[in-house]
Amino acid sequence: QSVLTQPPSVSGAPGQRVTISCTGNNYNIGAGYDVHWYQRLPGTAPRLLIFGYTNRPSGVPDRFSGSKSGTSASLVITGLQPDDEADYYCQSYDSKLSHNVVFGGGTRLTVL
Amino acid sequence: QVQLQESGPGLQKPSETLSLTCTVSGDSINGGRYYWGWIRQSPGKGLEWIGSFSYTGSSHYSPSLESRVTISVDTSNNQFSLKLTSVTAADTAVYYCARHRFGFDPWGQGTLVTVSS
Repeated sequence: QSVLTQPPSVSGAPGQRVTISCTGNNYNIGAGYDVHWYQRLPGTAPRLLIFGYTNRPSGVPDRFSGSKSGTSASLVITGLQPDDEADYYCQSYDSKLSHNVVFGGGTRLTVL
Repeated sequence: QVQLQESGPGLQKPSETLSLTCTVSGDSINGGRYYWGWIRQSPGKGLEWIGSFSYTGSSHYSPSLESRVTISVDTSNNQFSLKLTSVTAADTAVYYCARHRFGFDPWGQGTLVTVSS
């Protein structure tokens, strides 16, 4: 059972927009801790996609964006491409766990 | 360009101690600006943080693994290591090392450790 809750799967057709949610509580996201997002393509290590809710590392297309509202965060992917098919994870910190790192359970994105 | 590379045995027997090393290039682990950590992913499951340290002295471990985990540092070789005692089949996973401050970045390629008799 992950501290941060993500939908197990989402899907969309090429060109569409999809949103992946990450729901926490007042001890993690709601407490103001940063949320980061990772993309794990099949057979590869995770890659940092979004840091600090909304910031993209260099090289990450602006089709990927992040936001926060209350105790939840979201990853939005626009202009969906077949290469976006991957697992996506959110990550934050939790004050009930000594400010330690927590991950969401992951969301499998399928491009139809 | 910062790169991390995990190394260690790919097969462990139950009850043994798992030992992995992460070799860092392109940055100094005793620079004090970052945390350095271990994360794992068991088959069919999500990412699980194991623990992290900063060379300035602070270390943090996952509460669920804390009693079995030790992360140590070898600054002369710019490496850090993971020891996980009393392993069981539930510890079978791909183990990653990564640098972090504003998110984990970069990651090593990962190394599969299978616990089996």
